[in-house]
Amino acid sequence: AQKITQTQPGMFVQEKEAVTLDCTYDTSDQSYGLFWYKQPSSGEMIFLIYQGSYDEQNATEGRYSLNFQKARKSANLVISASQLGDSAMYFCAMREHSSASKIIFGSGTRLSIRP
Amino acid sequence: ETGVTQTPRHLVMGMTNKKSLKCEQHLGHNAMYWYKQSAKKPLELMFVYSLEERVENNSVPSRFSPECPNSSHLFLHLHTLQPEDSALYLCASSQEGLYNSYNEQFFGPGTRLTVL
Repeated sequence: AQKITQTQPGMFVQEKEAVTLDCTYDTSDQSYGLFWYKQPSSGEMIFLIYQGSYDEQNATEGRYSLNFQKARKSANLVISASQLGDSAMYFCAMREHSSASKIIFGSGTRLSIRP
Repeated sequence: ETGVTQTPRHLVMGMTNKKSLKCEQHLGHNAMYWYKQSAKKPLELMFVYSLEERVENNSVPSRFSPECPNSSHLFLHLHTLQPEDSALYLCASSQEGLYNSYNEQFFGPGTRLTVL
């Protein structure tokens, strides 16, 4: 079974609208960390936001927030007021306590912002 | 230089060539990683070095040989590659704590490798 599932291969959103990118995960560990990365066409993976499994508050970083629903094992990324520069691939990732050196990535969602 | 740098950015090689990819991190981190990103596949972890010791080797073919001479430098030596090895190779680094603090990884821009 896939550890990280991103069900939206591609999304189109109008500029200035908010967008939610879905991510569900599978783990039997109680302690784990969840990450979102952005990959523009240049190829570099850019870290966006982190959520620890024991964090009670949803993580926020500027226009990015993570909608963490632990019981449902989902960690959706919300981008508010989207901008043209947000067009990129977005990857959800997880590190588990039992394999701490390894990050597992999802297959990604390609987000395109329309002017 | 800041962050994580990788050279070369693009590489075209024949199946009989030997080449090396270089990664350097300027962040003072103690762990470095090699990933392979092929088209339409999730990012695959290849190797992990923590405190200059290899701690992860994800069943990577022996034609890929990593080297970590110090905590700032990481190499990936390539020989007798196959066309299916064509991909984007990404290097990353992180600061690993004592209590599995799940620090984020910082990535370089990648090397786009084409094997003819």
